[in-house]
Amino acid sequence: DAKTTQPPSMDCAEGRAANLPCNHSTISGNEYVYWYRQIHSQGPQYIIHGLKNNETNEMASLIITEDRKSSTLILPHATLRDTAVYYCIVRSYQTGANNLFFGTGTRLTVIP
Amino acid sequence: EAQVTQNPRYLITVTGKKLTVTCSQNMNHEYMSWYRQDPGLGLRQIYYSMNVEVTDKGDVPEGYKVSRKEKRNFPLILESPSPNQTSLYFCASSWDASSYNEQFFGPGTRLTVL
Repeated sequence: DAKTTQPPSMDCAEGRAANLPCNHSTISGNEYVYWYRQIHSQGPQYIIHGLKNNETNEMASLIITEDRKSSTLILPHATLRDTAVYYCIVRSYQTGANNLFFGTGTRLTVIP
Repeated sequence: EAQVTQNPRYLITVTGKKLTVTCSQNMNHEYMSWYRQDPGLGLRQIYYSMNVEVTDKGDVPEGYKVSRKEKRNFPLILESPSPNQTSLYFCASSWDASSYNEQFFGPGTRLTVL
């Protein structure tokens, strides 16, 4: 699985869009980009995933560059409850251990 | 409500005293797994199960046992806990073993072994 690089921390004003970058320059063609978040030692929560097209759901949008070497998770209107550690994970579509590698992620702090 | 539950949520024990952490899911998921989370090391997979009576080792299985007698339950057993097993443990489940499917995580069990 490709390695990902994320900034260790970011701040965002409440109500503004939070844009969390992720670099995955060694991603291969069959690898998906997943985003999870973990709020203060709670269990990680799935947010969104994509392959090459931009994706949107009720929680967030995922923008993947055309060369797929980087992506951005967008929380359109950040709230205080979005303060969490956000993990970008690259994983190939395969059966098996379904072992998600959570690195150190980005600690997002939403400021009132 | 679809969920993964774990019990206990907090446990302090002593070296060598056998313990079991239970995990249950109500989503009829085939795949279940256990992770431990330690500062600076992220989440590491301990064991996983692709279906009833099918279990396999993850990245850090030493000192742990699991069983999958029923689809909904996947207990984690520490036969002789040691202080290096002090950690935050998460159980997770997903529809099947395909990594395409999102994983649902339990609330975590914070274990301290003295």
